[in-house]
Amino acid sequence: QVQLQESGPKVVQPSEALSLTCSVSGYSINSGYNWGWIRQTPGRGLEWIASVSKAGGTANSVSLRSRVTTTIDTSKNQFSLKLTSVNASDTAVYFCVRGGISGYTIDYWSQGTLVTVSS
Amino acid sequence: EIVLTQSPGTLSLSPGERATLSCRASQYLNSGYLAWYQQKPGQAPRLLYFDTSIRATGIPDRFSGTGSGAVFTLTISRLEPEDFAVYYCHHYGDSPTFGQGTRVEI
Repeated sequence: QVQLQESGPKVVQPSEALSLTCSVSGYSINSGYNWGWIRQTPGRGLEWIASVSKAGGTANSVSLRSRVTTTIDTSKNQFSLKLTSVNASDTAVYFCVRGGISGYTIDYWSQGTLVTVSS
Repeated sequence: EIVLTQSPGTLSLSPGERATLSCRASQYLNSGYLAWYQQKPGQAPRLLYFDTSIRATGIPDRFSGTGSGAVFTLTISRLEPEDFAVYYCHHYGDSPTFGQGTRVEI
C-alpha cells in the first residue's frame, strides 16, 4: 500500500520560506510517476502547486512559479517543496500526492497538513 | 490555463435520490484527462473516476462518470448516506487544474 506523509513546520513567519518534505512508503519513487504538491483553502479550493519527476524535472503553477522550488531525493524516497516569501494567503492545508500531471491522475494523497503563516 | 466550472455549487437531496454533477471546461479536453474526487471533512480527496469514465478500484457502481470534449458528468444513481460530501473534478494535463467543487448535502 502506497503511503505519503508530509512533514515540516506548522507555523511560518510572513516573508519567510515554507518548507515541506513528503516521505513515501510502499513504493519506490525511482520506479516512476510524477510527485506533486496540492494545497486547499476554503476560499480558493484545491490548487495545484508543483510536480517533480524521478529525474528531477519540475513543473510549477504559473501563479506560484517565481516562489516555488521542488526537489526529489530518490535515495531517501522523499520529495520536497519550498515556497518563498509567504504571506497570509499561503495559509492552507498542504497535500503531497502521486500523479496529478501529464496524464497521470492523483491516485494517492497524504493526509494533509495545515500550515499557518503568522507572526 | 483551462478553467473547470462545476455546477451546481450545492445539491440538496435525500438518500435514494439521483445526483447529477456537472463539470465544464473552458477548452476542449481532447486528452480526456478528467478525474472526479470525493472529499469528506478532515480527509484527503478520494479518487472516484479517471480518464473521464474509468471507475477507480473499490468505487461502487452507483457512481458513473461520462463526458467528452468540454462537458463532463458524475452521476450517483441512488444516494447512500455516506455519499454526502464535496465532489471535485480535476484536469491532469500539463497545467493541472481543479473545479471549485459541488457539495451534495441532505
